[in-house]
Amino acid sequence: AQTVTQSQPEMSVQEAETVTLSCTYDTSESNYYLFWYKQPPSRQMILVIRQEAYKQQNATENRFSVNFQKAAKSFSLKISDSQLGDTAMYFCAFKGTNAGKSTFGDGTTLTVKP
Amino acid sequence: NAGVTQTPKFRVLKTGQSMTLLCAQDMNHEYMYWYRQDPGMGLRLIHYSVGEGTTAKGEVPDGYNVSRLKKQNFLLGLESAAPSQTSVYFCASSYRQSSNEKLFFGSGTQLSVL
Repeated sequence: AQTVTQSQPEMSVQEAETVTLSCTYDTSESNYYLFWYKQPPSRQMILVIRQEAYKQQNATENRFSVNFQKAAKSFSLKISDSQLGDTAMYFCAFKGTNAGKSTFGDGTTLTVKP
Repeated sequence: NAGVTQTPKFRVLKTGQSMTLLCAQDMNHEYMYWYRQDPGMGLRLIHYSVGEGTTAKGEVPDGYNVSRLKKQNFLLGLESAAPSQTSVYFCASSYRQSSNEKLFFGSGTQLSVL
């Protein structure tokens, strides 16, 4: 079974600064995807970014980028130029080949301060 | 676009009562999932379905039943509610089993069992 660990329950950052959220996972599968989802106070979960395990190049989506270290089984999310609207809980998720089931970490609550 | 719709959004039950949560998606997705979210514990998979007429157990299935009579609907039932089932419930769907498919989430149902 896969496990996903987010070791930072809460983090804060000043507006316009950069913050990195950590995620580690454990799996015996060789082909999988990793995701970061954002859950704002509205509770509506949305996808932030995803990374395929076979791709060495780190995924980037505007101000969001990942640092994927496959050997270390690490998948951190970097948010640049933080904005107040980035305040949310962020979930790291692993998705393998077993019926498309996703395994989620416990989440990191990020607060962006003005 | 409606996406994934959950009803109701809030519900309060007494111990022993029963209820059904409805999830509807209009994206013709094959895969549907029910998760529960508890403070500090991330999202845990209750049951899932890989197509119309099929259901399977997830990580925490005890005390819940599901049905997928129509492709667009996935129902979660509590036959005899217990205080331990107080949680926020999320329905999610995805088009295919492929690992790169992201999840589309509903906005959640806050359930309190007294």
